[in-house]
Amino acid sequence: AQSVAQPEDQVNVAEGNPLTVKCTYSVSGNPYLFWYVQYPNRGLQFLLKYITGDNLVKGSYGFEAEFNKSQTSFHLKKPSALVSDSALYFCAVRDDSNYQLIWGAGTKLIIKP
Amino acid sequence: DTAVSQTPKYLVTQMGNDKSIKCEQNLGHDTMYWYKQDSKKFLKIMFSYNNKELIINETVPNRFSPKSPDKAHLNLHINSLELGDSAVYFCASSQGLAGFSIFFGPGTRLTVT
Repeated sequence: AQSVAQPEDQVNVAEGNPLTVKCTYSVSGNPYLFWYVQYPNRGLQFLLKYITGDNLVKGSYGFEAEFNKSQTSFHLKKPSALVSDSALYFCAVRDDSNYQLIWGAGTKLIIKP
Repeated sequence: DTAVSQTPKYLVTQMGNDKSIKCEQNLGHDTMYWYKQDSKKFLKIMFSYNNKELIINETVPNRFSPKSPDKAHLNLHINSLELGDSAVYFCASSQGLAGFSIFFGPGTRLTVT
């Protein structure tokens, strides 16, 4: 069965430091992977996706994600965190049986000044 | 120029009542969704419509009935509300069934007392 896991409920980072939010996946075929962000009391917003090609994917707000096939991971990264990056981040993988997204449980990212 | 809009934003009602949530998208997308986010922020798809046709109907009680009068609208009607229905309900849309770049509405926070 296809699945996605976000092993950390919460990640704390000081402003200006690099951040990583982890995601691992399990799929039967080629993975289609996504990151979304949810700010407080808002709907989710698309950040970036990996379909094929370069393992380093660049997205909105300076975020990027690294696809690692051997480790079945798709970690979200940013070189220098901003307080405004504080939000809930969701990783998702597409279920090829019905094209719907399977969502991770979300990781709360807290950036401290 | 809101892309995906939902009304109402907040809905407080008593057990046993019937309520509806309306959703409209002005992106020209052909696929619309209803998602439920519980108090622990878990996100679960409920329904997916493509060109007004029901595509996905996850294990959702029959009390929940989606209706899509046209491609730009997907409403959710809930009968005989229960305490466990309290959650945030998100409408979303995308172009095609591939699940790429889903646009979410701001959410409707439903509280059943």
